[in-house]
Amino acid sequence: DIQMTQSPSSMSASLGDRVTITCRASQDIGNYLSWFQQKPGKSPRRMIYGATNLAAGVPSRFSGSRSGSDYSLTISSLESEDMAIYYCLQSIQYPRTFGGGTKLELK
Amino acid sequence: EVQLVESGGGLVQPGRSLKLSCLASGFTFSNYGMNWIRQAPGKGLEWVASISSSSSYIYYADTVKGRFTISRDNAKNTLYLQMTSLRSEDTALYYCARHSLGAPFDYWGQGVMVTVSS
Repeated sequence: DIQMTQSPSSMSASLGDRVTITCRASQDIGNYLSWFQQKPGKSPRRMIYGATNLAAGVPSRFSGSRSGSDYSLTISSLESEDMAIYYCLQSIQYPRTFGGGTKLELK
Repeated sequence: EVQLVESGGGLVQPGRSLKLSCLASGFTFSNYGMNWIRQAPGKGLEWVASISSSSSYIYYADTVKGRFTISRDNAKNTLYLQMTSLRSEDTALYYCARHSLGAPFDYWGQGVMVTVSS
C-alpha cells in the first residue's frame, strides 16, 4: 500500500500569511494527488486534483505543486474561512490512501 | 446540482449487519464510479470501497474485505454498502463520494453515522 505522510499535523498562522502543507508519497504516484478541505461538522471538499489543478469554485489563493515525491498545498494569503483540516489523497492505485491530515488554526 | 444523500445508519450491536444507501441526483449516475469513505469520531478519512460505473470493478480496504459489500443499482441511482459482522472499530461517519477518471471524490454526501456498540 502507498503511504501518504502529511506534515505538519497541525499549525497556526496569521491572517495574510503564506501557508504550505506537504504530503510525501512512499511510492511514485505521478500526479494522482488531490487535496481536500474539511471544516467542523462538514463533508470534505475537493480543492486540488491532479496535483496542480484547482477544483471548480476554489479561490485562486489555493495552489498545488509537486517536487518529486513531495506534494504541496499552498495558501498564498490566509483568510479566516481557510481554518480547517486538510487531507491529501493518492488515487493512482487501490487501496486509496489519505494523509493523516493537517489542522490549520488561527494564531 | 449534484446531490448525494446517504441513509441507513444507526446504532447496531457488534456482530450484526447494516445496509447503507446513497441516493444520487443531478448527474448521470451510470457514468460515474462511486465510493464509500468513512471517518471515525475525531479521526481522519479512511477509504472503504469503490465500484466502477457498471459494477465491473470493485475494490475494498483490507479492514472491511470479506465483511462489507459495495453494490449499485443504476436504474435507481443508488449506491449501497452492506455491512456484516460489524465491530466497534467500524463506528464512523460514512460518506459516499463520486469519482471519474482523473477526478477522485469530486462530490461528497453529508454522511451517515454508524455506531457499533452493545
